[in-house]
Amino acid sequence: AQKVTQAQTEISVVEKEDVTLDCVYETRDTTYYLFWYKQPPSGELVFLIRRNSFDEQNEISGRYSWNFQKSTSSFNFTITASQVVDSAVYFCALSRTGANSKLTFGKGITLSVRP
Amino acid sequence: GAVVSQHPSRVICKSGTSVKIECRSLDFQATTMFWYRQFPKQSLMLMATSNEGSKATYEQGVEKDKFLINHASLTLSTLTVTSAHPEDSSFYICSAGTGTLTNYGYTFGSGTRLTVV
Repeated sequence: AQKVTQAQTEISVVEKEDVTLDCVYETRDTTYYLFWYKQPPSGELVFLIRRNSFDEQNEISGRYSWNFQKSTSSFNFTITASQVVDSAVYFCALSRTGANSKLTFGKGITLSVRP
Repeated sequence: GAVVSQHPSRVICKSGTSVKIECRSLDFQATTMFWYRQFPKQSLMLMATSNEGSKATYEQGVEKDKFLINHASLTLSTLTVTSAHPEDSSFYICSAGTGTLTNYGYTFGSGTRLTVV
């Protein structure tokens, strides 16, 4: 069975602070995908990143960066110089590779960025 | 990129009535559609997986007769909440699988907020 654990439930920071959202996963598959999604108050899910299990390179996209550590089954997400617009719920998710595989979501982390 | 259009975005219905939610893939063919439910301040829970032209596969604990899923074409999947009750009030969101075997992803609809009064 697949499982995603986001131990942090709510995080509050002041604008311009850096913040890291943790994600730990469990799977018996040797290949899999990991995702991060952002859900603003409007409810829609915004895709942030997908990582293949065989690609352990860390990724940076603007103020966002992701640290994938297969040895610890973690896929953490860091926002640098946070902004009020980053306030949202962030979900980490896991799926098997291959078509039609379902996504398993973590419980989500509510991030509040105060001005 | 791939777009999934979900309607309605919000619906209020009376207890005992049925509500239909539609998800359309606008510029691609969605052979598989996933339906999720999300209660306030909770995660997305998969309800069922629908494949075009065949019966949906429901997750454990989800009532098939209450949540009717139809995926009659490659661009349209519908979820009908039958005889809705206040406890069915929730945020429902669909997702289509997109891409190839080695480059697979998910495109989400914008969600439907259902309130049963």
